[in-house]
Amino acid sequence: TQLLEQSPQFLSIQEGENLTVYCNSSSVFSSLQWYRQEPGEGPVLLVTVVTGGEVKKLKRLTFQFGDARKDSSLHITAAQPGDTGLYLCAGGGGSNYKLTFGKGTLLTVNP
Amino acid sequence: DAGVIQSPRHEVTEMGQEVTLRCKPISGHNSLFWYRQTMMRGLELLIYFNNNVPIDDSGMPEDRFSAKMPNASFSTLKIQPSEPRDSAVYFCASKLGTDSTDTQYFGPGTRLTVL
Repeated sequence: TQLLEQSPQFLSIQEGENLTVYCNSSSVFSSLQWYRQEPGEGPVLLVTVVTGGEVKKLKRLTFQFGDARKDSSLHITAAQPGDTGLYLCAGGGGSNYKLTFGKGTLLTVNP
Repeated sequence: DAGVIQSPRHEVTEMGQEVTLRCKPISGHNSLFWYRQTMMRGLELLIYFNNNVPIDDSGMPEDRFSAKMPNASFSTLKIQPSEPRDSAVYFCASKLGTDSTDTQYFGPGTRLTVL
């Protein structure tokens, strides 16, 4: 069974601070997705990374896929209250339809 | 365009009652997923349909759970009889394609409470 461990589980910071959250596994994934889920809503896809070592940037968010494709990180620069939410990583098995989700990091950015 | 639509948004029922959750996927999508989310277990895949056919139901907890997709625009997840441990948020998601990198679009979820 493939598992994804996310850390930290909870993170509360002040507006303007930088942060990094992590997604780790002992298994290799063909792809890695990051989602953000706001209270009362379903997860929304932020990014998909498919190549070991790949780095993608989305405004103030930087996503990295580990060289061995077993881990990933999400870095947010100058966090804003609108970044508040549950960040989920999900690993994919290539042409397999299935995604394995981590339990998420609950981020709170205080004004 | 309308996203994935789920109903009801909230459901409170008593143990032993039948519960039916409904989902309308995005038009044109050929894959549909039902997930369950709890604090303890996170987001778990219950069942996956492709072109209205159940492909993988290995995540369905037990025989009390059943899912149908009679056509491309409608799916149901039924729990009969319901138990308190079924309390969770249930999400439906749809996408176009069958690869894990294809974007899944989630509905807003149904929060189920079984007393």
